[in-house]
Amino acid sequence: GNSVTQMEGPVTLSEEAFLTINCTYTATGYPSLFWYVQYPGEGLQLLLKATKADDKGSNKGFEATYRKETTSFHLEKGSVQVSDSAVYFCALSDSEAGNQFYFGTGTSLTVIP
Amino acid sequence: DTEVTQTPKHLVMGMTNKKSLKCEQHMGHRAMYWYKQKAKKPPELMFVYSYEKLSINESVPSRFSPECPNSSLLNLHLHALQPEDSALYLCASRRLSGRAGNTGELFFGEGSRLTVL
Repeated sequence: GNSVTQMEGPVTLSEEAFLTINCTYTATGYPSLFWYVQYPGEGLQLLLKATKADDKGSNKGFEATYRKETTSFHLEKGSVQVSDSAVYFCALSDSEAGNQFYFGTGTSLTVIP
Repeated sequence: DTEVTQTPKHLVMGMTNKKSLKCEQHMGHRAMYWYKQKAKKPPELMFVYSYEKLSINESVPSRFSPECPNSSLLNLHLHALQPEDSALYLCASRRLSGRAGNTGELFFGEGSRLTVL
């Protein structure tokens, strides 16, 4: 079946620290992979995506590479800011799963000055 | 216009009330979703409409009743809710590619925060 396993949080970092949030997946078809971010009191916003193996998604200094050999899509940022404090969700959409989306459990990030 | 608009943003209701949540998008998306989200948890899928027809119902209690009047609108009718139904209700939409293997992203609204007393 399809599933997403995401690094447990919460994560607390100092400003300008390096961020990695791990995400691995299982899929029966040819998945697309996504990172969504949810700021306090808001809905989910697409942060970045990758639709095929070896694609790199990037946005706002965040990056993630679709690694088929390790079934991973880890989120990274070289220098986090206080404004990056949010909950991050890894998600998968599988070509064989119709309209279903699969979300990881979410990782809460707090960046302190 | 790349927005999904949800109303109301906040709703407080008693267990005997009837209320509705509304969602609207004008991106031409033909799949629309309702999710329920508890604090710091992932969204839980409730319903999916595809081309205005209910395609997924995740065994949601009948006190939640979805409706898709047209391709731009999605409603969630609420009746006789319980306090444990208090949550953030998120609407999302997605473009359907018209071919097998749709893998486009979901576009979410800001959500309707529901409190059941």
